Amino acid sequence: AQKVTQAQTEISVVEKEDVTLDCVYETRDTTYYLFWYKQPPSGELVFLIRRNSFDEQNEISGRYSWNFQKSTSSFNFTITASQVVDSAVYFCALSEGDSNYQLIWGAGTKLIIKP
Amino acid sequence: DADVTQTPRNRITKTGKRIMLECSQTKGHDRMYWYRQDPGLGLRLIYYSFDVKDINKGEISDGYSVSRQAQAKFSLSLESAIPNQTALYFCATRRGRNTEAFFGQGTRLTVV
Repeated sequence: AQKVTQAQTEISVVEKEDVTLDCVYETRDTTYYLFWYKQPPSGELVFLIRRNSFDEQNEISGRYSWNFQKSTSSFNFTITASQVVDSAVYFCALSEGDSNYQLIWGAGTKLIIKP
Repeated sequence: DADVTQTPRNRITKTGKRIMLECSQTKGHDRMYWYRQDPGLGLRLIYYSFDVKDINKGEISDGYSVSRQAQAKFSLSLESAIPNQTALYFCATRRGRNTEAFFGQGTRLTVV
Protein backbone atom coordinates (compact mmCIF):
# COMPACT_ATOMS: atom_id res chain seq x y z
CA ALA A 1 0.00 0.00 0.00
CA GLN A 2 1.13 3.53 -0.63
CA LYS A 3 2.32 5.31 2.44
CA VAL A 4 4.49 8.16 3.62
CA THR A 5 6.06 8.05 7.06
CA GLN A 6 7.56 10.97 8.89
CA ALA A 7 8.64 9.33 12.09
CA GLN A 8 9.82 12.50 13.77
CA THR A 9 6.80 14.17 15.24
CA GLU A 10 8.72 17.14 16.62
CA ILE A 11 12.32 18.27 16.49
CA SER A 12 13.81 21.09 18.52
CA VAL A 13 17.25 22.53 17.83
CA VAL A 14 19.16 25.67 18.62
CA GLU A 15 19.63 28.21 15.89
CA LYS A 16 22.56 27.58 13.55
CA GLU A 17 22.48 23.84 14.08
CA ASP A 18 21.94 21.58 11.09
CA VAL A 19 18.79 19.47 11.15
CA THR A 20 17.52 16.60 9.01
CA LEU A 21 13.87 15.72 8.58
CA ASP A 22 13.23 12.13 7.58
CA CYS A 23 10.71 10.90 5.02
CA VAL A 24 10.23 7.23 4.16
CA TYR A 25 7.73 6.16 1.51
CA GLU A 26 6.16 2.97 0.23
CA THR A 27 5.02 2.41 -3.33
CA ARG A 28 4.88 -0.42 -5.87
CA ASP A 29 5.01 1.99 -8.76
CA THR A 30 8.27 2.56 -10.61
CA THR A 31 7.30 6.08 -11.62
CA TYR A 32 6.42 8.38 -8.78
CA TYR A 33 7.01 11.87 -7.47
CA LEU A 34 7.97 13.12 -4.06
CA PHE A 35 7.32 16.53 -2.57
CA TRP A 36 8.18 18.62 0.44
CA TYR A 37 5.98 21.41 1.79
CA LYS A 38 6.47 23.90 4.60
CA GLN A 39 3.66 25.13 6.85
CA PRO A 40 4.79 28.10 8.93
CA PRO A 41 2.84 29.20 12.00
CA SER A 42 0.70 31.43 9.80
CA GLY A 43 -0.82 28.26 8.38
CA GLU A 44 -0.31 28.40 4.63
CA LEU A 45 1.28 25.49 2.76
CA VAL A 46 4.36 26.41 0.79
CA PHE A 47 5.77 24.13 -1.89
CA LEU A 48 9.50 23.47 -1.53
CA ILE A 49 10.52 20.76 -3.98
CA ARG A 50 9.32 18.05 -6.36
CA ARG A 51 11.48 15.08 -7.28
CA ASN A 52 10.72 12.25 -9.72
CA SER A 53 11.74 8.67 -9.15
CA PHE A 54 14.23 8.63 -11.99
CA ASP A 55 16.32 11.47 -10.67
CA GLU A 56 18.35 10.47 -7.64
CA GLN A 57 20.65 13.43 -7.80
CA ASN A 58 20.67 15.38 -4.57
CA GLU A 59 19.25 18.86 -4.69
CA ILE A 60 20.56 21.94 -2.94
CA SER A 61 18.82 25.28 -2.67
CA GLY A 62 20.58 27.70 -0.40
CA ARG A 63 20.50 26.27 3.11
CA TYR A 64 18.09 23.52 2.06
CA SER A 65 19.16 20.20 0.63
CA TRP A 66 17.37 16.99 -0.21
CA ASN A 67 18.75 13.46 -0.26
CA PHE A 68 16.74 11.00 -2.36
CA GLN A 69 17.72 7.34 -1.96
CA LYS A 70 15.60 4.75 -3.75
CA SER A 71 17.50 1.91 -2.08
CA THR A 72 16.07 2.95 1.29
CA SER A 73 12.87 4.57 -0.04
CA SER A 74 13.78 7.80 1.63
CA PHE A 75 13.66 11.46 0.68
CA ASN A 76 15.23 13.35 3.54
CA PHE A 77 15.39 17.10 3.95
CA THR A 78 18.28 18.90 5.60
CA ILE A 79 18.41 22.49 6.74
CA THR A 80 21.92 23.79 7.24
CA ALA A 81 22.60 26.54 9.76
CA SER A 82 19.00 26.67 10.86
CA GLN A 83 17.27 29.95 11.57
CA VAL A 84 14.28 30.85 13.69
CA VAL A 85 12.30 31.52 10.51
CA ASP A 86 12.67 27.85 9.62
CA SER A 87 10.33 26.98 12.47
CA ALA A 88 7.35 25.29 10.84
CA VAL A 89 5.66 21.99 10.19
CA TYR A 90 7.20 20.21 7.24
CA PHE A 91 5.26 17.69 5.17
CA CYS A 92 6.50 15.06 2.78
CA ALA A 93 4.11 13.74 0.10
CA LEU A 94 4.02 11.08 -2.62
CA SER A 95 2.19 10.97 -5.95
CA GLU A 96 1.99 7.77 -7.96
CA GLY A 97 -0.19 5.79 -10.28
CA ASP A 98 -1.60 3.22 -7.88
CA SER A 99 -3.24 6.00 -5.92
CA ASN A 100 -4.52 7.68 -9.07
CA TYR A 101 -1.84 10.31 -8.62
CA GLN A 102 -3.41 11.73 -5.51
CA LEU A 103 -0.99 13.24 -3.08
CA ILE A 104 -0.37 10.92 -0.15
CA TRP A 105 0.82 12.89 2.82
CA GLY A 106 3.01 12.16 5.79
CA ALA A 107 1.81 13.33 9.18
CA GLY A 108 4.35 16.14 9.26
CA THR A 109 7.32 17.04 11.42
CA LYS A 110 7.13 20.10 13.62
CA LEU A 111 10.48 21.86 13.63
CA ILE A 112 11.26 24.31 16.41
CA ILE A 113 14.33 26.48 16.08
CA LYS A 114 15.26 28.10 19.35
CA PRO A 115 17.22 31.36 19.34
CA ASP B 1 -3.62 38.70 -4.91
CA ALA B 2 -3.33 35.03 -4.03
CA ASP B 3 -3.55 32.50 -6.87
CA VAL B 4 -5.87 30.30 -4.79
CA THR B 5 -8.34 32.15 -2.58
CA GLN B 6 -10.48 30.63 0.12
CA THR B 7 -13.38 32.27 1.88
CA PRO B 8 -14.06 32.57 4.72
CA ARG B 9 -10.70 32.34 6.48
CA ASN B 10 -12.26 31.60 9.83
CA ARG B 11 -15.72 30.43 10.73
CA ILE B 12 -17.50 29.32 13.86
CA THR B 13 -20.76 27.55 13.32
CA LYS B 14 -23.24 25.57 15.36
CA THR B 15 -23.91 21.86 15.19
CA GLY B 16 -26.50 21.05 12.56
CA LYS B 17 -25.96 24.18 10.47
CA ARG B 18 -25.17 24.06 6.78
CA ILE B 19 -21.98 25.81 5.80
CA MET B 20 -20.20 26.42 2.52
CA LEU B 21 -16.51 27.04 2.03
CA GLU B 22 -15.55 28.65 -1.23
CA CYS B 23 -12.44 28.42 -3.33
CA SER B 24 -11.45 30.29 -6.45
CA GLN B 25 -8.24 30.17 -8.44
CA THR B 26 -6.53 32.21 -11.10
CA LYS B 27 -3.91 29.64 -12.06
CA GLY B 28 -5.97 28.20 -14.89
CA HIS B 29 -5.62 24.66 -13.56
CA ASP B 30 -8.30 22.08 -14.23
CA ARG B 31 -7.58 19.99 -11.15
CA MET B 32 -8.97 21.21 -7.86
CA TYR B 33 -8.98 19.57 -4.44
CA TRP B 34 -10.38 19.94 -0.95
CA TYR B 35 -8.30 18.70 1.98
CA ARG B 36 -8.81 18.59 5.67
CA GLN B 37 -5.96 18.98 8.14
CA ASP B 38 -6.13 17.70 11.69
CA PRO B 39 -3.20 17.81 14.13
CA GLY B 40 -0.90 14.81 13.71
CA LEU B 41 -2.78 13.44 10.71
CA GLY B 42 -1.36 15.37 7.80
CA LEU B 43 -3.75 16.28 5.01
CA ARG B 44 -6.63 14.06 4.05
CA LEU B 45 -8.46 14.33 0.75
CA ILE B 46 -12.17 15.08 0.89
CA TYR B 47 -13.11 15.60 -2.78
CA TYR B 48 -11.35 16.34 -6.02
CA SER B 49 -12.35 17.48 -9.48
CA PHE B 50 -10.51 17.19 -12.77
CA ASP B 51 -12.93 19.45 -14.62
CA VAL B 52 -16.39 20.95 -14.26
CA LYS B 53 -18.12 17.66 -15.07
CA ASP B 54 -15.78 15.41 -13.11
CA ILE B 55 -16.20 15.18 -9.32
CA ASN B 56 -14.66 12.42 -7.25
CA LYS B 57 -14.79 11.39 -3.63
CA GLY B 58 -11.63 11.30 -1.60
CA GLU B 59 -10.85 9.22 1.46
CA ILE B 60 -13.09 11.16 3.86
CA SER B 61 -16.07 12.43 1.83
CA ASP B 62 -18.82 11.40 4.25
CA GLY B 63 -20.64 14.45 5.59
CA TYR B 64 -19.34 16.69 2.80
CA SER B 65 -20.45 17.66 -0.68
CA VAL B 66 -18.89 19.79 -3.38
CA SER B 67 -19.84 21.86 -6.37
CA ARG B 68 -17.61 22.82 -9.28
CA GLN B 69 -19.32 25.92 -10.56
CA ALA B 70 -16.65 26.78 -13.11
CA GLN B 71 -13.09 25.87 -13.92
CA ALA B 72 -11.98 28.46 -11.40
CA LYS B 73 -14.45 27.75 -8.59
CA PHE B 74 -14.83 24.75 -6.33
CA SER B 75 -16.92 24.93 -3.17
CA LEU B 76 -17.19 22.55 -0.24
CA SER B 77 -20.37 22.17 1.80
CA LEU B 78 -21.05 20.65 5.16
CA GLU B 79 -24.74 19.81 5.02
CA SER B 80 -25.17 19.43 8.75
CA ALA B 81 -22.02 20.36 10.61
CA ILE B 82 -20.86 18.29 13.56
CA PRO B 83 -18.11 19.04 16.10
CA ASN B 84 -15.68 16.46 14.72
CA GLN B 85 -15.61 18.43 11.47
CA THR B 86 -13.72 21.12 13.34
CA ALA B 87 -10.49 21.36 11.37
CA LEU B 88 -8.37 23.41 9.01
CA TYR B 89 -9.61 23.08 5.43
CA PHE B 90 -7.50 23.68 2.36
CA CYS B 91 -8.36 24.07 -1.27
CA ALA B 92 -5.65 23.24 -3.79
CA THR B 93 -5.05 23.17 -7.53
CA ARG B 94 -2.67 21.17 -9.69
CA ARG B 95 -1.68 21.60 -13.30
CA GLY B 96 -1.18 17.90 -13.95
CA ARG B 97 -1.27 14.56 -12.25
CA ASN B 98 2.31 14.60 -10.98
CA THR B 99 2.79 18.28 -10.47
CA GLU B 100 2.93 20.18 -7.24
CA ALA B 101 -0.22 21.43 -5.59
CA PHE B 102 -0.86 25.10 -4.93
CA PHE B 103 -2.85 25.79 -1.82
CA GLY B 104 -5.20 28.44 -0.59
CA GLN B 105 -4.53 30.05 2.76
CA GLY B 106 -6.91 27.69 4.55
CA THR B 107 -10.21 28.01 6.35
CA ARG B 108 -10.27 27.36 10.06
CA LEU B 109 -13.67 25.93 10.84
CA THR B 110 -14.97 25.41 14.35
CA VAL B 111 -18.23 23.57 14.96
CA VAL B 112 -19.68 24.13 18.43
